[in-house]
Amino acid sequence: EAQVTQNPRYLITVTGKKLTVTCSQNMNHEYMSWYRQDPGLGLRQIYYSMNVEVTDKGDVPEGYKVSRKEKRNFPLILESPSPNQTSLYFCASSLLQKPDNEQFFGPGTRLTVL
Amino acid sequence: AQSVAQPEDQVNVAEGNPLTVKCTYSVSGNPYLFWYVQYPNRGLQFLLKYITGDNLVKGSYGFEAEFNKSQTSFHLKKPSALVSDSALYFCAVRGVKLTFGKGTKLSVIP
Repeated sequence: EAQVTQNPRYLITVTGKKLTVTCSQNMNHEYMSWYRQDPGLGLRQIYYSMNVEVTDKGDVPEGYKVSRKEKRNFPLILESPSPNQTSLYFCASSLLQKPDNEQFFGPGTRLTVL
Repeated sequence: AQSVAQPEDQVNVAEGNPLTVKCTYSVSGNPYLFWYVQYPNRGLQFLLKYITGDNLVKGSYGFEAEFNKSQTSFHLKKPSALVSDSALYFCAVRGVKLTFGKGTKLSVIP
């Protein structure tokens, strides 16, 4: 089954404790992206990647890191999480980012930073 | 800068009635427009898209959307709402990048 998977689905942590949210897709998509969803703000892009070893900042990259060492994986790293990073996070992928390609989304990771 | 506006945070409609979820956009050049749906505790799912051609686009689950260039709108519609359509709906525009609206919560009342 074609899908985007994320782990963990739920995470409660404390301020400053490094964490990684994994994202993997099995559709051989070149393009991958991370979003955060907050009430009243919709989805905002954090980082995206056009292909292996190619990443770039989205609209809200502060406090996050990413890497793209393999085509299928795109982990999101919070080196020192803070409470304002409490949010619902989605990973998405698509074929090369042409304008008309729809994105496939993972199930989401709900992160709480205390 | 490109932007998407969904003017209604919530839309309530009775089961069996037609529904409309509104979206207006601003982008340079030809717009590529999308609707996504998010069911509770799930990721976003693609519903339909407008690239070019016919202004009425048909998508999944009986949904359709009407593109209106002069009004810069891309409203989502369905002739007869189902309770199972209750979800959060996002409009998105692709220009330089993909920008999402803030979402509209649709509640279909039995």
